[in-house]
Amino acid sequence: DAGVIQSPRHEVTEMGQEVTLRCKPISGHNSLFWYRQTMMRGLELLIYFNNNVPIDDSGMPEDRFSAKMPNASFSTLKIQPSEPRDSAVYFCASSFIGRGEKLFFGSGTQLSVL
Amino acid sequence: DAKTTQPNSMESNEEEPVHLPCNHSTISGTDYIHWYRQLPSQGPEYVIHGLTSNVNNRMASLAIAEDRKSSTLILHRATLRDAAVYYCIPFSYSGAGSYQLTFGKGTKLSVIP
Repeated sequence: DAGVIQSPRHEVTEMGQEVTLRCKPISGHNSLFWYRQTMMRGLELLIYFNNNVPIDDSGMPEDRFSAKMPNASFSTLKIQPSEPRDSAVYFCASSFIGRGEKLFFGSGTQLSVL
Repeated sequence: DAKTTQPNSMESNEEEPVHLPCNHSTISGTDYIHWYRQLPSQGPEYVIHGLTSNVNNRMASLAIAEDRKSSTLILHRATLRDAAVYYCIPFSYSGAGSYQLTFGKGTKLSVIP
């Protein structure tokens, strides 16, 4: 398996623009997580899905952030409009969660909002 | 959520064993203990996990205290490639797809040649 695939690897955009991050989880996994990492706040869980259904989005910082999982093999995280403080590395992870299962992370998207 | 306490940083000489401690005194009886590591410029990588008894895999060993309030990740022979931030995470699963996997600050391990 190719692992969790994220795109793009790097995104540079201007404040106010819409940004869409993409994630393809490992085939057969039933859960998908979006994390954000900054130096100041470390790794923060934004939202996770189980069987394509959002279970907990309490970590989503503002209404400017939205996430979707239209099917088991694809998810998006959208920021509209983007702001400089959204600059971070965004990670997607997937797992088969039943009891104590491990997460597999993608390589991340480095987002810079100018 | 169960809280964890880890040293901010540790150093080890190459090819020496490394013991990375973690305190998780508020862990519930059904929480697994997960360890992940993050190499520079990469996503976190699963290392090992356990519930009550000690666990071994090709990467490391996990020693869990009898009262489950602490655990130790053991790297038997540190290599330069083991230099990373190591996270200890209680994994809470409450059924119906509801669970918690919260990363703390972790321990930054430096390996000296």
